[in-house]
Amino acid sequence: DTEVTQTPKHLVMGMTNKKSLKCEQHMGHRAMYWYKQKAKKPPELMFVYSYEKLSINESVPSRFSPECPNSSLLNLHLHALQPEDSALYLCASSQAVASGQETQYFGPGTRLLVL
Amino acid sequence: AQSVSQHNHHVILSEAASLELGCNYSYGGTVNLFWYVQYPGQHLQLLLKYFSGDPLVKGIKGFEAEFIKSKFSFNLRKPSVQWSDTAEYFCAVVIYNQGGKLIFGQGTELSVKP
Repeated sequence: DTEVTQTPKHLVMGMTNKKSLKCEQHMGHRAMYWYKQKAKKPPELMFVYSYEKLSINESVPSRFSPECPNSSLLNLHLHALQPEDSALYLCASSQAVASGQETQYFGPGTRLLVL
Repeated sequence: AQSVSQHNHHVILSEAASLELGCNYSYGGTVNLFWYVQYPGQHLQLLLKYFSGDPLVKGIKGFEAEFIKSKFSFNLRKPSVQWSDTAEYFCAVVIYNQGGKLIFGQGTELSVKP
């Protein structure tokens, strides 16, 4: 089973709202990722967690706050977003990040619209 | 900075035509290479990957890719496309031992006419 699940599928929020995206995997993977994908563009890495610790933050604005409560779960907390943050947010997981020789498996994404 | 280039933004083919999508990367060291596909309304799926060994790798749904180190290329091929291959195709690179960061190309939209 190579399934990564994400909830919600769609989210509409105002610029003053606080919301969270959730990602879950039960493959025993120890690395989890958040990507942002705008329409007709490739995914862009936001964060990498390795063994539940943040290992890469690609200079993402602080209005995005990741959290990895355990090895199966990854959250992305959203606060005071801007309309330009509207995008598809993808979660991925892999066995580890050690060498890069691990395949990343992607979830279906959460389509976010900020009004 | 490392980058991945995909030569074609949009490719239109008729069914049964052969496909080749170009991908080049800019990094002189060890890389791991991937092709992902994103069907309309679906999530990114792995088509195939290259880590080491035989430079010709076979993936799902009849796709294959060839790694040519001297050309920094990892082109995707399929001898005969089907309408169901209509999708966005992304080439991606992970630099060895650099934290697992996937660097994606800009993507190629493939439209197959029935």
